[in-house]
Amino acid sequence: LAKTTQPISMDSYEGQEVNITCSHNNIATNDYITWYQQFPSQGPRFIIQGYKTKVTNEVASLFIPADRKSSTLSLPRVSLSDTAVYYCLVGDNNDMRFGAGTRLTVKP
Amino acid sequence: DAGVIQSPRHEVTEMGQEVTLRCKPISGHNSLFWYRQTMMRGLELLIYFNNNVPIDDSGMPEDRFSAKMPNASFSTLKIQPSEPRDSAVYFCASSLVGVRQWGYTFGSGTRLTVV
Repeated sequence: LAKTTQPISMDSYEGQEVNITCSHNNIATNDYITWYQQFPSQGPRFIIQGYKTKVTNEVASLFIPADRKSSTLSLPRVSLSDTAVYYCLVGDNNDMRFGAGTRLTVKP
Repeated sequence: DAGVIQSPRHEVTEMGQEVTLRCKPISGHNSLFWYRQTMMRGLELLIYFNNNVPIDDSGMPEDRFSAKMPNASFSTLKIQPSEPRDSAVYFCASSLVGVRQWGYTFGSGTRLTVV
């Protein structure tokens, strides 16, 4: 299983763009990259998933370079409600194990 | 769809008692996962099923833990006997293998306290 490395925590201010990078040097050919968001007292919530290049949805963008050894989750114009833990997972969707995640704190 | 439904939401029990956690996955999903979350260890994958068959239970901490999935719409995680160190939030998640773009859907979790 590909191991992931993320920053433990990040701070930002309302209205800023936040980029969280995840390293996954041992990613396998069949592996996809998936990001989840977790608020206190709730289960993780799927944000976005990609295999290569760029993926965008109504919530975020995911940038994946050609070598796929890292990925960057981009949250445009964050608000206080985006304060949460963000997890990067790498796997084939059959066996996804969570790392420690990145605790994002958005300040007013 | 009501999403992944877990019960109970909260459970307080005494050490040595049997505890059963329940999960109803999203209709049509064919994979089901049990996770445990604590401050110290984060989110741990305990076991997952594909088409009701346990695929990997290497995350189950010890023989006191067991999980079953008798049909596609129901799964249980049982702890017998329970110990204080089992106190955690237990999450169930489901997904549709082969449809990658939606990832896993998690339930609201069961907060277990063993005193």
